[in-house]
Amino acid sequence: KQEVTQIPAALSVPEGENLVLNCSFTDSAIYNLQWFRQDPGKGLTSLLLIQSSQREQTSGRLNASLDKSSGRSTLYIAASQPGDSATYLCAVKPSGSRLTFGEGTQLTVNP
Amino acid sequence: ETGVTQSPTHLIKTRGQQVTLRCSSQSGHNTVSWYQQALGQGPQFIFQYYREEENGRGNFPPRFSGLQFPNYSSELNVNALELDDSALYLCASSLGASGSDTQYFGPGTRLTVL
Repeated sequence: KQEVTQIPAALSVPEGENLVLNCSFTDSAIYNLQWFRQDPGKGLTSLLLIQSSQREQTSGRLNASLDKSSGRSTLYIAASQPGDSATYLCAVKPSGSRLTFGEGTQLTVNP
Repeated sequence: ETGVTQSPTHLIKTRGQQVTLRCSSQSGHNTVSWYQQALGQGPQFIFQYYREEENGRGNFPPRFSGLQFPNYSSELNVNALELDDSALYLCASSLGASGSDTQYFGPGTRLTVL
């Protein structure tokens, strides 16, 4: 059974700091890995999707890496801003029909 | 292009009642997946519908049922509501049901069971 773990559960940083969120998964047989952002009480916004054959994806200040063999992914946020405050969720797709999510990292960026 | 929409936004029910949540998929998408997200947790997969047939189910009891219509919109029905059913229910649509198909999420329906 695929399990996804995210560390840390919560993170508070000052504005401008670079930071790394971690995600690990137990079964390396995945199609892809996706990072989402969720604002309080809202739906999910897809940030980056990495196919199993890829090593990383970049979008603006965000960079996500994937090491499938070790079951790890990181989301790097450069020059953090208060608007980045949200919960960040990592999800893997071990089969065609479902995403398996971690419990998220709650990020607070203080002005 | 219209994204994934869900209705209602919020809903309050009492224990033992039944509820129906609705999802309209993104234009051109034939697959809908439903997830339950309890407070402070990650979403949990409930089931998926592909071309009007159930195509995978998570670890949820039979009182959670679904339906997909010919226009690929979908309903999630929950019978005999329990307090633990209080959660954000998320719907996601995709072009197909293969591993490479990206799921696009709606804004969710917040269900509170009293």
